[in-house]
Amino acid sequence: DTAVSQTPKYLVTQMGNDKSIKCEQNLGHDTMYWYKQDSKKFLKIMFSYNNKELIINETVPNRFSPKSPDKAHLNLHINSLELGDSAVYFCASSQSSWGPPYEQYFGPGTRLTVT
Amino acid sequence: DAKTTQPNSMESNEEEPVHLPCNHSTISGTDYIHWYRQLPSQGPEYVIHGLTSNVNNRMASLAIAEDRKSSTLILHRATLRDAAVYYCILSTGGGADGLTFGKGTHLIIQP
Repeated sequence: DTAVSQTPKYLVTQMGNDKSIKCEQNLGHDTMYWYKQDSKKFLKIMFSYNNKELIINETVPNRFSPKSPDKAHLNLHINSLELGDSAVYFCASSQSSWGPPYEQYFGPGTRLTVT
Repeated sequence: DAKTTQPNSMESNEEEPVHLPCNHSTISGTDYIHWYRQLPSQGPEYVIHGLTSNVNNRMASLAIAEDRKSSTLILHRATLRDAAVYYCILSTGGGADGLTFGKGTHLIIQP
């Protein structure tokens, strides 16, 4: 069974469209994250949620809105897509965001291409 | 965030040990040292982490300098499957801040 899964794996869309990426973890973890990896391969944290509550919101445009319906799911909705949003988006989870560090488990990524 | 410095790339032969260095001269007393790797077209994968003492697990060993200003990830017997980008990351406990990835070291394994 896949620990952290994302759908879709590939997403090609036009500028101005709205799209969503879904993430699910079956590890029973409390904390979930979204990361963005740009064309230069830099990975950056975007958001983190702990038990459905937002903890981190890095400098990300308001067009990006994460939603956590329950602690096993963290979806990413993007409005008015721009060319610069093209990247690979990774979802991750960890046991908790408090106390000693816990390893993060990453999903396979969603490659978003905006044309 | 405290910064880490790693070589851009390293090359090694299959079935030989690999030592991947990381400098973190501005590390604080509460910073843990994490290593993750990213195989081609995959998400990052946890390798190992430590605070002060050397650590071993089934994947690798982590050797931490006494002054904690540097560390070395040791792959005891590299295989082709170990070819990946290896990231050395500092974080202060928990996961609330997420992980800050640098450029990492691109490890090339020659058969």
